[in-house]
Amino acid sequence: KNQVEQSPQSLIILEGKNCTLQCNYTVSPFSNLRWYKQDTGRGPVSLTIMTFSENTKSNGRYTATLDADTKQSSLHITASQLSDSASYICVVSAHQAGTALIFGKGTTLSVSS
Amino acid sequence: EAQVTQNPRYLITVTGKKLTVTCSQNMNHEYMSWYRQDPGLGLRQIYYSMNVEVTDKGDVPEGYKVSRKEKRNFPLILESPSPNQTSLYFCASSYSSGGTEAFFGQGTRLTVV
Repeated sequence: KNQVEQSPQSLIILEGKNCTLQCNYTVSPFSNLRWYKQDTGRGPVSLTIMTFSENTKSNGRYTATLDADTKQSSLHITASQLSDSASYICVVSAHQAGTALIFGKGTTLSVSS
Repeated sequence: EAQVTQNPRYLITVTGKKLTVTCSQNMNHEYMSWYRQDPGLGLRQIYYSMNVEVTDKGDVPEGYKVSRKEKRNFPLILESPSPNQTSLYFCASSYSSGGTEAFFGQGTRLTVV
């Protein structure tokens, strides 16, 4: 069964600190892996998309990594800001028509001052 | 500006009163889908559409209908809403089903009493 598991479920860090969020998946056939940021009550916004051949991709202070062999991904946030407080969702796309996006349940990050 | 627009943003209704949530995109995307998001469950797909007049069920289609008469619009219809359909709903669009970035609307918070 195609699944995406994220850890931790929630995380609290101090402003200015770094953090890393984890995503493990069992999706086949794999197409790409995305990280989305979702502010409370708002729609998810794409941070990065990585295909099988890419093992790292950055978007400002956000850096995503992908290990397609172990089926693991991480999202590293550098020098966190209060505005980083949000839910971060890992989404894996399968090479199939129709319901191709498999969503993780997200990691809720709270950045405090 | 490229966007997915949902209306209304907030809706409170009574059990059994038919309602429609509209979704419109201005990116000429072929693929559109509806999701509901509930605490602890993440995003779950309700229905999707590969193109005009082509729709299919997602993971949780019971109690919902959709139509795709035009490429830009993909309304979600609740013929007889029930309290278990109280949720946060998102419409999304992308050029294709899994290989390209998905853009999400701002969400519709529905409460059925």
